[in-house]
Amino acid sequence: DGGITQSPKYLFRKEGQNVTLSCEQNLNHDAMYWYRQDPGQGLRLIYYSQIVNDFQKGDIAEGYSVSREKKESFPLTVTSAQKNPTAFYLCASNKGTTFSGSYEQYFGPGTRLTVT
Amino acid sequence: GQQVMQIPQYQHVQEGEDFTTYCNSSTTLSNIQWYKQRPGGHPVFLIQLVKSGEVKKQKRLTFQFGEAKKNSSLHITATQTTDVGTYFCAVYGGATNKLIFGTGTLLAVQP
Repeated sequence: DGGITQSPKYLFRKEGQNVTLSCEQNLNHDAMYWYRQDPGQGLRLIYYSQIVNDFQKGDIAEGYSVSREKKESFPLTVTSAQKNPTAFYLCASNKGTTFSGSYEQYFGPGTRLTVT
Repeated sequence: GQQVMQIPQYQHVQEGEDFTTYCNSSTTLSNIQWYKQRPGGHPVFLIQLVKSGEVKKQKRLTFQFGEAKKNSSLHITATQTTDVGTYFCAVYGGATNKLIFGTGTLLAVQP
């Protein structure tokens, strides 16, 4: 089965600790994305990558870091500098852009991070 | 930056009633996508509209792209409890190569 996997589903951390969220896809997609979703809110873009070894900041990149060393993998690190890290984190991927816009995005099941 | 407004934020209907959510932009859009997120789940792609005035149907769901390509709507006929969730529109951010999601409309359906 092709798809996107995120692990773990639930993650608990103490304040002041860095934590890395995993995202793996076997869809052969070039582009990958990280979103943050707070209760009752929409999706806010953290980082995205259009190609291996390259990534761009999204709208709320402060306190987060990413890497894209392999096409299949796009891990997100939530650092201690992120002031309010408790949220639902969603990873997505797609084939990139088309002549008229963007291909549809496929989302992973998400990771619920709780920091106390 | 580009913003997309979605209304209403929340809608509560009785099962069998119709439902519509609207997505509005101040700029002309190249295309628009719609996603559905069930409670506790992740967004799932529903459809993409590209042409001015385009109308597409998926069973009880009707998607429309405005003539000026600045707005779009999703209409559900005779809602069912399985329609519960948040519906998001998303537009292409152009040179930034990213999707910009609307604020979403949460649909609650009372049996």
